[in-house]
Amino acid sequence: NAGVMQNPRHLVRRRGQEARLRCSPMKGHSHVYWYRQLPEEGLKFMVYLQKENIIDESGMPKERFSAEFPKEGPSILRIQQVVRGDSAAYFCASSPRQVVNQPQHFGDGTRLSIL
Amino acid sequence: DQQVKQNSPSLSVQEGRISILNCDYTNSMFDYFLWYKKYPAEGPTFLISISSIKDKNEDGRFTVFLNKSAKHLSLHIVPSQPGDSAVYFCAASADSNDYKLSFGAGTTVTVRA
Repeated sequence: NAGVMQNPRHLVRRRGQEARLRCSPMKGHSHVYWYRQLPEEGLKFMVYLQKENIIDESGMPKERFSAEFPKEGPSILRIQQVVRGDSAAYFCASSPRQVVNQPQHFGDGTRLSIL
Repeated sequence: DQQVKQNSPSLSVQEGRISILNCDYTNSMFDYFLWYKKYPAEGPTFLISISSIKDKNEDGRFTVFLNKSAKHLSLHIVPSQPGDSAVYFCAASADSNDYKLSFGAGTTVTVRA
C-alpha cells in the first residue's frame, strides 16, 4: 500500500473529543475518497473530494463529520464530539482522475477507538 | 441495504488447489467490478477488475468471471499459495466513472500448507 499515506495509524479518543484523520494521496493523484469499515463489515463510502472541493458527501453523517482537501497539504476527515459508534477503521483512497478502469488505491487506514 | 454480498465469510483451501470466491449483487446498474485483497492492519490492495462488457478477465493466477444475468461474479485463484491467505473483498460501481464503490463484507481465505 505504498503511496497513499494515512496518519495516525491508531487514534484513541474519549467520548466528546475531536478526532482528526489525515490522508496524503499518491503522487499525481488529485481525487481522494474516504471509506469507513465497521467490524465484520465491508467498506462504506463516505465522501469524495478533489482539491478544494467536496464532490460528494452523501455517505457521510450530516452532523459531527466534515472533510476537506485543501490546495496544500493532506485531506482531513474530522469527527467532532466523538461517540462510541464512531469506533471503526477509516480508509482513504486516491485516484489520478475519474477515468474508466482506474481502480482506487487505498492507504493502510486509521483505527479509531473511542473510550 | 447491502447491494454486494459475499455469503461465505471464510474459505480454507490446500496449497496448490483452486480457491473460488463468490460474490452476488442486487443493483442491475453495476457495470464495473473489482476484487481487493486485504492483509490484517493494512489497506485493501487492488487485485483484478472486470467491466460488464466482458465475462472473463485473467491476470496470472487470478481469473474473475462475471455472469450478468445471474448478477454473480467469482474469483478463481489457481494455484493457491500461502501468501494468498487474506481477506478478499468484492466491490462494484454503477458506472465505470462512478467513484462510489460498494463493498461486500469480505471472505477470509486460509491456504493450508
